[in-house]
Amino acid sequence: NAGVTQTPKFQVLKTGQSMTLQCAQDMNHEYMSWYRQDPGMGLRLIHYSVGAGITDQGEVPNGYNVSRSTTEDFPLRLLSAAPSQTSVYFCAASGQSNTGELFFGEGSRLTVL
Amino acid sequence: GNSVTQMEGPVTLSEEAFLTINCTYTATGYPSLFWYVQYPGEGLQLLLKATKADDKGSNKGFEATYRKETTSFHLEKGSVQVSDSAVYFCALSDRITSGSRLTFGEGTQLTVNP
Repeated sequence: NAGVTQTPKFQVLKTGQSMTLQCAQDMNHEYMSWYRQDPGMGLRLIHYSVGAGITDQGEVPNGYNVSRSTTEDFPLRLLSAAPSQTSVYFCAASGQSNTGELFFGEGSRLTVL
Repeated sequence: GNSVTQMEGPVTLSEEAFLTINCTYTATGYPSLFWYVQYPGEGLQLLLKATKADDKGSNKGFEATYRKETTSFHLEKGSVQVSDSAVYFCALSDRITSGSRLTFGEGTQLTVNP
């Protein structure tokens, strides 16, 4: 029962470097999204997708890109990392319209020096 | 816009104590309400939910009632255990937009001591 799988779990970057956080789900869910978790701020939505080929911005999209070429995968790209992007990132999937039940991955902790 | 406000933490209780974590919300339309729990080192998982006014969600001894008149969804448990130590997030889903777009509260850290 893999569910939502994120890689890597931990990553340290230098300012200006680029990287991709991978997210894969095996539940055939339509909706996928990326959140970042920061102390005292809960989870904030970065980008989301309602299906393959469709993506849209969330609350805090600046500095991040996404694509959704398949139902299973939803990678998050940091083009030029900044210290403000130090956070824990969660990918989530949802298969039921308008019920809001999300299935989360275990998270990816990113540190930007 | 939508927002969720939770009581400030951290909360520390002794085993078998009564738990209340307050949650209030602001939303357009008729949102669905959720409590998610995050155990150490893990992702969030759904604890309970309510989709309309006066519904009561319950799971694992936790419960919360959707109160439209007070725009609240407080989480309660009658007797907490050490294994309940986790971070609890209140969240809402506005039915006007995609079901995957949740708005989360700040989270409340709960520690239960034996």
